[in-house]
Amino acid sequence: DSGVTQTPKHLITATGQRVTLRCSPRSGDLSVYWYQQSLDQGLQFLIHYYNGEERAKGNILERFSAQQFPDLHSELNLSSLELGDSALYFCASGKGELAGTDTQYFGPGTRLTVL
Amino acid sequence: AQTVTQSQPEMSVQEAETVTLSCTYDTSESDYYLFWYKQPPSRQMILVIRQEAYKQQNATENRFSVNFQKAAKSFSLKISDSQLGDAAMYFCAYRTPFYGGSQGNLIFGKGTKLSVKP
Repeated sequence: DSGVTQTPKHLITATGQRVTLRCSPRSGDLSVYWYQQSLDQGLQFLIHYYNGEERAKGNILERFSAQQFPDLHSELNLSSLELGDSALYFCASGKGELAGTDTQYFGPGTRLTVL
Repeated sequence: AQTVTQSQPEMSVQEAETVTLSCTYDTSESDYYLFWYKQPPSRQMILVIRQEAYKQQNATENRFSVNFQKAAKSFSLKISDSQLGDAAMYFCAYRTPFYGGSQGNLIFGKGTKLSVKP
């Protein structure tokens, strides 16, 4: 158990819908990273938040957005869903740049299926 | 841009034997971190080992060790005394610097699927 929690574990929805994925980082971690794992694209970085502020964006679509709340949990919002958005979405947490190594620990992931 | 390459899509090892998984990367940075993560069928991403580029000594964690060749930009993972529970997908990852457009996110290779034969 990494200490990072993600809900829900599975999500099945239809095209055009909107979903919210939730992540709670390990105790003491200020950074939250979101990654998408799909068969064709592999593991890709989406977005990084540190202590409530967005710090970097990766290959995140405009239909996707995220935020980190004062209690440090983060939500990833996916809207106007398409079949190609079906993937495993991971959240990872770390202590951030001040910690030097900032090893990232991953949550169990949310498997999104868009029908 | 930084890239990570794992040239072995699949590997197989006999139980109790040793296997080495290859990884190469490309970066212009001099100080960085490299990781190996394991993803078993449960799909959980589990940290296996970490290497700091400025440390010349290869990292070791029990049966897992790395061969880090900085000049060659090579970072291979050696698993000794392989066990059935080692069967998984293994991902090599490079951590980007905390400045510029990057903020410490991981760049992953495509993975190597390791099978362990009893």
